Amino acid sequence: DSGVTQTPKHLITATGQRVTLRCSPRSGDLSVYWYQQSLDQGLQFLIQYYNGEERAKGNILERFSAQQFPDLHSELNLSSLELGDSALYFCASSVRGEGLYNEQFFGPGTRLTVL
Amino acid sequence: AQSVTQPDIHITVSEGASLELRCNYSYGATPYLFWYVQSPGQGLQLLLKYFSGDTLVQGIKGFEAEFKRSQSSFNLRKPSVHWSDAAEYFCAVGPTFQGAQKLVFGQGTRLTINP
Repeated sequence: DSGVTQTPKHLITATGQRVTLRCSPRSGDLSVYWYQQSLDQGLQFLIQYYNGEERAKGNILERFSAQQFPDLHSELNLSSLELGDSALYFCASSVRGEGLYNEQFFGPGTRLTVL
Repeated sequence: AQSVTQPDIHITVSEGASLELRCNYSYGATPYLFWYVQSPGQGLQLLLKYFSGDTLVQGIKGFEAEFKRSQSSFNLRKPSVHWSDAAEYFCAVGPTFQGAQKLVFGQGTRLTINP
């Protein structure tokens, strides 16, 4: 158990819908990262937040957005869902968000299925 | 741009046999290197990491990896595999500079163990 929690574990929804994935980082970690794991794209970095502020963006679609709240939990919002958004979405956290590299601890993931 | 290549998509070994999983990276400087394991339905667990120093690093579960700068490789090894090692293994590279702390992952190698 990494200490990173993600809810829900599974999510099944229809095309065109909007969903919210939630992540609680390890106690004391200030930085949260979101990754998407799909069969065709593999594991890809989406976005990083550090202490409430966006720090880095990867291959995140405009239909996707995220935020980190004052209690440091983070939410990833996916809208106008398409079949191709079906994937496993991982959240990771680290103590810091800059400077020397920080080890990232991964949550168990949320499996999103878009029908 | 950073990239990671895992040449073997799927490897099958017999229980008790030795294992080597290959990883090659492309990066402008000495990167931070990681191996993660993903068991079915589970999140990513860090096996080991290389930041600097001794090029042979020991990890959990009896795994080790060797950093070879001249070959841009970071291969994972285990002298004797157990049935519980069946999983997917990911090599990843992280930055050594301030800024985006994202991990770049290889496509993964699925390991099957024959009894």
